[in-house]
Amino acid sequence: SSEVTQDPAVSVALGQTVRMTCQGDSLRNYYASWYQQKPGQAPVLVIYGKNNRPSGIPDRFSGSNSGNTASLTITGAQAEDEADYYCASRDRSGDHWVFGGGTKLTVL
Amino acid sequence: EVQLVESGGGLIQPGGSRRLSCAASGFTVSSKYMNWVRQAPGKGLEWVSVIYSDGRTYYADSVKGRFTISRDNSKNTLYLQMNSLRAEDTAVYYCARNNGDYDQGYHFDCWGQGTLVLVSS
Repeated sequence: SSEVTQDPAVSVALGQTVRMTCQGDSLRNYYASWYQQKPGQAPVLVIYGKNNRPSGIPDRFSGSNSGNTASLTITGAQAEDEADYYCASRDRSGDHWVFGGGTKLTVL
Repeated sequence: EVQLVESGGGLIQPGGSRRLSCAASGFTVSSKYMNWVRQAPGKGLEWVSVIYSDGRTYYADSVKGRFTISRDNSKNTLYLQMNSLRAEDTAVYYCARNNGDYDQGYHFDCWGQGTLVLVSS
């Protein structure tokens, strides 16, 4: 079983704001990172650390952290944001990595 | 340009073996933490294994004792030797590079396109 947990699915109206969460004890010690995956494609890093976006990721993506919970927020969701989103972190031992089960985002 | 290209997937019988390769360009594999991550059909991402820059290796419980991660510095290539394969090992296998540190946040910043391993008789 995963040591970080995500809600299986969320939906958002076009142009509105959506927040996805990731919970786990390891997040008290390690930052989460977030990945977007569209069907048939490899995952793409969208947020890491305190709130860092790789080059090329739109600024509507942001991240936050509090206690054992990390959050990914999309402000002004676009149709192209419809995808699966995964969080990841080092586990409590620090030697392994864990992925959340993923959140399927639907943009209405 | 940083790039990872996996190869070696295919159809394997249960109990069989296969070695996956991941050729890196644009950086040196021995200087980074390198991972294998897999995704069963219709399922989420599952971390499989890591090799640290100092050579330490770790595995998910689901593959420990059956899979071996390694690298060839001269070829700048990462490998995953998979033995005693089971139907539940069927997945797309991605190699992925870790970057960052404790303060910046560890993250997988570069992924290959994946290679499909199908374990079936």
